[in-house]
Amino acid sequence: DGGITQSPKYLFRKEGQNVTLSCEQNLNHDAMYWYRQDPGQGLRLIYYSQIVNDFQKGDIAEGYSVSREKKESFPLTVTSAQKNPTAFYLCASSLISHQPQHFGDGTRLSIL
Amino acid sequence: AQTVTQSQPEMSVQEAETVTLSCTYDTSESDYYLFWYKQPPSRQMILVIRQEAYKQQNATENRFSVNFQKAAKSFSLKISDSQLGDAAMYFCAYRSTNSGNTPLVFGKGTRLSVIA
Repeated sequence: DGGITQSPKYLFRKEGQNVTLSCEQNLNHDAMYWYRQDPGQGLRLIYYSQIVNDFQKGDIAEGYSVSREKKESFPLTVTSAQKNPTAFYLCASSLISHQPQHFGDGTRLSIL
Repeated sequence: AQTVTQSQPEMSVQEAETVTLSCTYDTSESDYYLFWYKQPPSRQMILVIRQEAYKQQNATENRFSVNFQKAAKSFSLKISDSQLGDAAMYFCAYRSTNSGNTPLVFGKGTRLSVIA
């Protein structure tokens, strides 16, 4: 079955630590996205990538970094510069603009 | 930049009744796509319905339909014959057709409760 796999499902970060959230898709989609979800805030865009080796900042990119070395993978690193990382993170992908985005099941990140 | 507004943080509906969720958006573009996504307690994002702005006909998917008013920039979702499984967060989203595979712009969501 084609889909988007996010791992881990739950992640805990210590102070000063960088953590990486994994997102893999086997849908052969060109574009991939990372969103952050906080209560009452909806989904806010962190980063997105339309093609391999290229990505753009979203509305809340500060404290995050990404890479897109392979079409299938778009990992998100939450750095120690992100002072309030506790949230639910969703990864998505899409083939072309008029097609809807497909979402992974999300990763819940908490601070220890 | 485009914005999406969902003015109803919470709604409730009796089982088997009909409910309408509101969504307005702001854009200067003439061609775009609009979506409604459902997020149940599992937090999985599920596409409910999609509307192309250049199509005047309102989209329907079984019990779900939209009222798309382009001039008013309004995109409401009607759920008919509500079921307990419809209880979820519902997000309205906008997608530009400019410059390739653009991200979605989401509203803050409406939490729908279904009363048995």
